[in-house]
Amino acid sequence: AQKVTQAQTEISVVEKEDVTLDCVYETRDTTYYLFWYKQPPSGELVFLIRRNSFDEQNEISGRYSWNFQKSTSSFNFTITASQVVDSAVYFCALEEETSGSRLTFGEGTQLTVNP
Amino acid sequence: DARVTQTPRHKVTEMGQEVTMRCQPILGHNTVFWYRQTMMQGLELLAYFRNRAPLDDSGMPKDRFSAEMPDATLATLKIQPSEPRDSAVYFCASGLVRGPRGQPQHFGDGTRLSIL
Repeated sequence: AQKVTQAQTEISVVEKEDVTLDCVYETRDTTYYLFWYKQPPSGELVFLIRRNSFDEQNEISGRYSWNFQKSTSSFNFTITASQVVDSAVYFCALEEETSGSRLTFGEGTQLTVNP
Repeated sequence: DARVTQTPRHKVTEMGQEVTMRCQPILGHNTVFWYRQTMMQGLELLAYFRNRAPLDDSGMPKDRFSAEMPDATLATLKIQPSEPRDSAVYFCASGLVRGPRGQPQHFGDGTRLSIL
């Protein structure tokens, strides 16, 4: 069965520090998709990125970068030079090709960036 | 920017009352999902529809919950009768699933439900 683990429940950093959020997944499918979502204090869930299992290229978007490694079943998210506005809960999610579009979410990591 | 719209944003009611939550998916999206978020269980999928047809509602307590899509612009989630353990944030999400999988789901702002 599919599973997503975000072992870091809470992380606290000081502004301008770099921070990496870990995500480890389990799946038996050879084709699958990984996502990161952000949930700020206001409560909405914001889509950040999608990766498919055939594309292991790392991606950078501004201060955000993602490191996908199939060998370790990990899809980690790094924020460079963190800012207070980055404070949120971040969720990693998995969609298996055979799941019929169902997302399995990790437990989430609460990131607090202090000024 | 197109958004998923959920109403109401907040709902407080007494145990035993009927609760109806509404969702307007993004125009053109053919798949609608209902999730529940609690501290204990995290984000759970309750049900989802494609082209208005229910595909899976196995995550939903059948005796009190029901989900429908009367038309392409409206999805509803009803709880009758409500119980205190139903208190949670309910999210609706929509996506366009056509051909390759893995299309991102776009979430509404959620309905924060409190059952007293």
